[in-house]
Amino acid sequence: GENVEQHPSTLSVQEGDSAVIKCTYSDSASNYFPWYKQELGKGPQLIIDIRSNVGEKKDQRIAVTLNKTAKHFSLHITETQPEDSAVYFCAAFGLSGAGSYQLTFGKGTKLSVIP
Amino acid sequence: NAGVTQTPKFRILKIGQSMTLQCAQDMNHNYMYWYRQDPGMGLKLIYYSVGAGITDKGEVPNGYNVSRSTTEDFPLRLELAAPSQTSVYFCASSYMTGQGEKLFFGSGTQLSVL
Repeated sequence: GENVEQHPSTLSVQEGDSAVIKCTYSDSASNYFPWYKQELGKGPQLIIDIRSNVGEKKDQRIAVTLNKTAKHFSLHITETQPEDSAVYFCAAFGLSGAGSYQLTFGKGTKLSVIP
Repeated sequence: NAGVTQTPKFRILKIGQSMTLQCAQDMNHNYMYWYRQDPGMGLKLIYYSVGAGITDKGEVPNGYNVSRSTTEDFPLRLELAAPSQTSVYFCASSYMTGQGEKLFFGSGTQLSVL
């Protein structure tokens, strides 16, 4: 089944700097790649997603890039603010370890934005 | 619009006890899921349902059971709780976009088995 690796596990940046989180996936047939943000004590919330027929997508200060050949995708946050501090999860939609088509999640990146 | 509602928010169980985690959604989504989240391990799928009356196992189903009698509700049952089931549990629902799934998560249930 699909395997998603996410790096780094923790990331600290100064307010105003950029942050980049990277993920790789194993199944070349996976075709949908969302990113979720989880604030303390809350459930994950979708912040941006990209499909396999697109190379880049932007939404204000966040962007996601996808390299299908290398099987990796990245989240870019520019002009970081303290409210960006959270745990971020990447995911890939493909054949899971359970044998059905599901989202497989990375292990998460804890982002801390230092004022 | 409440979205996905989970109860309880916190629970402590003794080894061998049983309990049901409740999940309800008001978005008329056909798909519902139960995940567990362990520190540094991401989200692991326990069970999922594609509609009322239909459930299937995810990656880590052992020790759990589910039912889906209505579109709105998807309870998760723990029988004979074990310390390994100490975790944060998230329920989610989704609508299919044709090329993937946008999940909507509840706020979670933190369970400790002692």
